[in-house]
Amino acid sequence: SQTIHQWPATLVQPVGSPLSLECTVEGTSNPNLYWYRQAAGRGLQLLFYSVGIGQISSEVPQNLSASRPQDRQFILSSKKLLLSDSGFYLCAWSDRNYGYTFGSGTRLTVV
Amino acid sequence: LAKTTQPISMDSYEGQEVNITCSHNNIATNDYITWYQQFPSQGPRFIIQGYKTKVTNEVASLFIPADRKSSTLSLPRVSLSDTAVYYCLVGPPYGGATNKLIFGTGTLLAVQP
Repeated sequence: SQTIHQWPATLVQPVGSPLSLECTVEGTSNPNLYWYRQAAGRGLQLLFYSVGIGQISSEVPQNLSASRPQDRQFILSSKKLLLSDSGFYLCAWSDRNYGYTFGSGTRLTVV
Repeated sequence: LAKTTQPISMDSYEGQEVNITCSHNNIATNDYITWYQQFPSQGPRFIIQGYKTKVTNEVASLFIPADRKSSTLSLPRVSLSDTAVYYCLVGPPYGGATNKLIFGTGTLLAVQP
């Protein structure tokens, strides 16, 4: 079966510190991978998507970056966090057979 | 991707049927209509997807008129646990280089006892 793992579930980081959120997918090959962010009380904003290893597209200019070092691994990073980076971060994958599936999310609080 | 418009919020009571309508006037020929449910601090969860007419599964029904410019998600006999945000999305059933899942603000359904 197909599963998506996202960690950590919650994270509190000081302003200016680095960030690394990881997402892995099991049970599928060559999925499309996505990072979304949801600010409190608002909808989901697409940040990055990837259609293959090393292929990253950014939807909005920001303080974050993404990488896909392996087929089923997607990483969201930042060198120096800002207060405005706080939010709920969701990883998702899609393929032709199963549509879109979302991870459980990471609640990031920058203090 | 076609833009969607849906009510910001709706209220209901336990045991009632709830219908949430979504407008998508610019839907393309190849677009599907998909509804997701999101609980606080969780990722969205697929509810139902359809292309035309009516689709029914174990949790909901989706009604799509012939012109496909709108759709209605029907939740039979809601319970308190159905309180969530419901998103209507229009686009290909899966993603790709040019097809990305873009969410609107969704409809917050509040079910009262």
